[in-house]
Amino acid sequence: DSGVTQTPKHLITATGQRVTLRCSPRSGDLSVYWYQQSLDQGLQFLIQYYNGEERAKGNILERFSAQQFPDLHSELNLSSLELGDSALYFCASSPGRGRPYNEQFFGPGTRLTVL
Amino acid sequence: SQQGEEDPQALSIQEGENATMNCSYKTSINNLQWYRQNSGRGLVHLILIRSNEREKHSGRLRVTLDTSKKSSSLLITASRAADTASYFCATVEMNRDDKIIFGKGTRLHILP
Repeated sequence: DSGVTQTPKHLITATGQRVTLRCSPRSGDLSVYWYQQSLDQGLQFLIQYYNGEERAKGNILERFSAQQFPDLHSELNLSSLELGDSALYFCASSPGRGRPYNEQFFGPGTRLTVL
Repeated sequence: SQQGEEDPQALSIQEGENATMNCSYKTSINNLQWYRQNSGRGLVHLILIRSNEREKHSGRLRVTLDTSKKSSSLLITASRAADTASYFCATVEMNRDDKIIFGKGTRLHILP
């Protein structure tokens, strides 16, 4: 158990819908990272937050957004869903000062299926 | 663009043999990390090697880093069935964004 929790574990929805994925980092970790993993694209870094502020941005679509709250939990919002958004979405956390120089602890993931 | 590229994409070996996976990258890095992922599960950090280090050991794992060739290798000695998983290298680029980028992974299968 990494100490990172993600909810829900599975999510099935229809095209055009909007969903919210939730992540709670390990106790004491200030950084949260979001990743998308699909068979054809591999593991793609989406976005990183550090202590409530956006720290780095990867291949995140404009239809996707995220935020980190004062209690350090984070939410990833996916809107206008398309079939291609079906994937595993992972959250990870790490200690340190916001730069990804340390190991990351991954949550169990949320499997999103868009029908 | 993909920073880390693992090679081979898939590897099957007999239990007890050694497994070697390679990772190549393109830009200057702060560090390189290796992760393991069991099917459908979250990634688990294995080892981190900094850009000024050349070799690092952790149990049955040995990682090397050659910054002149922009490559790293992960060696798993005396493989076990439980080592069956996908292995990813991740690099942290030395640029303003400091993004971490994962490769597509090597799928390792240990045969009994």
